[in-house]
Amino acid sequence: GAVVSQHPSRVICKSGTSVKIECRSLDFQATTMFWYRQFPKQSLMLMATSNEGSKATYEQGVEKDKFLINHASLTLSTLTVASAHPEDSSFYICSAPRVGGPNNEQFFGPGTRLTVL
Amino acid sequence: DAKTTQPTSMDCAEGRAANLPCNHSTISGNEYVYWYRQIHSQGPQYIIHGLKNNETNEMASLIITEDRKSSTLILPHATLRDTAVYYCIVRSHSGSARQLTFGSGTQLTVLP
Repeated sequence: GAVVSQHPSRVICKSGTSVKIECRSLDFQATTMFWYRQFPKQSLMLMATSNEGSKATYEQGVEKDKFLINHASLTLSTLTVASAHPEDSSFYICSAPRVGGPNNEQFFGPGTRLTVL
Repeated sequence: DAKTTQPTSMDCAEGRAANLPCNHSTISGNEYVYWYRQIHSQGPQYIIHGLKNNETNEMASLIITEDRKSSTLILPHATLRDTAVYYCIVRSHSGSARQLTFGSGTQLTVLP
């Protein structure tokens, strides 16, 4: 079946560091990918929509200058957390819909656990 | 997308059927009911979806009421590995590249 990968799976960094997270669709092309954030014991919250060949669209309250998204190809989207701070510590998850697939389902990556010290 | 309501948590004995309810009283005619689950510290996983007919696959069964205002996900023989948060999501297929909106879900705990 379709698989979405994320790298790294876990990152620990110092405050002020920029962190890049990659999301890849492994056996299908995705012109759109989604980035979610999940704090402990909470549900997934959509942060932004990554669009291949155009700018990402951000949800209200998400700073585009802090969470930089680049959809470099039809199989890769990257999320860069610029100058990360402890409050950015969270579980970041990407997803890619397989448009036209039998279930119109979205495939989720395994997530990236970010801890900012 | 229509809003859904699910119980916060449920327990189920291993080997027994787990029945997870979902209310979606404002569902519109072109909206499907999707179920995903999230095992702790992993990304969500698709389970099943349906429009108005009952559906079954290798993972679960989905029972949708005739008025479509509620549904039940059935795991016929729950195992410890089914312990997860289960999300019921209503969405239309039009613009199928749209994002999923997650509610609070139901924490299912399968007990040995």
